[in-house]
Amino acid sequence: DAGITQSPRHKVTETGTPVTLRCHQTENHRYMYWYRQDPGHGLRLIHYSYGVKDTDKGEVSDGYSVSRSKTEDFLLTLESATSSQTSVYFCAISTSGQTNTEAFFGQGTRLTVV
Amino acid sequence: GENVEQHPSTLSVQEGDSAVIKCTYSDSASNYFPWYKQELGKRPQLIIDIRSNVGEKKDQRIAVTLNKTAKHFSLHITETQPEDSAVYFCAASPSGGSNYKLTFGKGTLLTVNP
Repeated sequence: DAGITQSPRHKVTETGTPVTLRCHQTENHRYMYWYRQDPGHGLRLIHYSYGVKDTDKGEVSDGYSVSRSKTEDFLLTLESATSSQTSVYFCAISTSGQTNTEAFFGQGTRLTVV
Repeated sequence: GENVEQHPSTLSVQEGDSAVIKCTYSDSASNYFPWYKQELGKRPQLIIDIRSNVGEKKDQRIAVTLNKTAKHFSLHITETQPEDSAVYFCAASPSGGSNYKLTFGKGTLLTVNP
């Protein structure tokens, strides 16, 4: 599993509440990503990080923020959850990006906003 | 940013036949092209990848071809088996630096009928 763990695995939350998803890795990889997966849309990048405190937006970043204060943890926060953010969220990690560019995915978090 | 188009969205074949999935990309800076397989309820997993300095790569029953001039790449599965049934995603990325991020196609649902 490339030492990547997502928590929680499932969550139901109410509209308007803040939610934080955690991605934890044990192998000191530089790159970390948050994707959401929805039927008909594939995997869409929300935010990504290329180092501690270095983050950037992906294609669907509105309504989401991230933080990476240490190499092993990448947090995704929904500031005020909406029903359109009901989705399966995948964290991914990758190595240097220079030669070994394979990305490994976590098990996913199924988030339901009611 | 990068845009990856993937076709077809669904593909049904008979066991033993070949399957071909095609992707196009827009960013000429992309030089890494992985393919992921996702079984129902599981995480995406890398099955094969190709870099821009290579035109074709094979691994047993699967192969990937790349045409950089035309900006398209394809996945070929020969002698398909029922266990090949899954959703397949192509992706593209430049390598290295702060721009390293995978952009995915919308996926192809492959069904192999016994």
